[in-house]
Amino acid sequence: DIQMTQSPSSLSASVGDRVTIACRASHNIVTYLNWYQQKPGKAPKLLIFAASTLQDGVPSRFSGSGYGTDFVLTISSLQAEDFATYYCQQSYNIPRTFGQGTKVEIK
Amino acid sequence: QVQLVQSGPEVKTPGASVKVSCKVSADTFSTYEINWVRQAPGQGLEWMGWINGYDGDTNYAQKFQGRVIMTTDTSTSTAYMELGGLRSDDAAVYYCARGIWSTSLHWFDPWGQGTLVTVSS
Repeated sequence: DIQMTQSPSSLSASVGDRVTIACRASHNIVTYLNWYQQKPGKAPKLLIFAASTLQDGVPSRFSGSGYGTDFVLTISSLQAEDFATYYCQQSYNIPRTFGQGTKVEIK
Repeated sequence: QVQLVQSGPEVKTPGASVKVSCKVSADTFSTYEINWVRQAPGQGLEWMGWINGYDGDTNYAQKFQGRVIMTTDTSTSTAYMELGGLRSDDAAVYYCARGIWSTSLHWFDPWGQGTLVTVSS
């Protein structure tokens, strides 16, 4: 199985901050990488697919980059509604696997 | 806009089975692939497998092989996930999610609201 490791596991930030979350795959996954946002008590929501393609309706302050084994999710200016847990997920092979999550909290 | 609506919470005893449903509000259910992902309390996301709404073809994570059965009912646009031999560590919120493919790229969108399964004696 491909292991997905996110860092940090949690972070504290203020509204307006630039936030970056890293995701590393244990195997080259090219651009088969998706990002999801999950708020407490809610289902995950797709933010980015194929490493860098923004899902329709997702604010442009979210962006994704990376290739191979190293990927980054960036929030250019953190808003109040962005406090949540973020997961990366690989779709290179079966089983699909997720990172352990990065919780973004209010400083 | 497609919506996935799941069945309500379940309480089961160890060793029992649970069957969770996921109704898709779309006329093109047979073109859908439904994935199942679970999340134990306070934990991350774990993919269980998928079922193709067109031909019922399934792909299960090896971890769940022999314990999970995914089915569909095209007449009601509903997918089902049945997990047997429940243990305490199967207690989780179970989500269904549509799988979308573009060439070989694959992602999950949208997701159902989740179904809480409690396993307790």
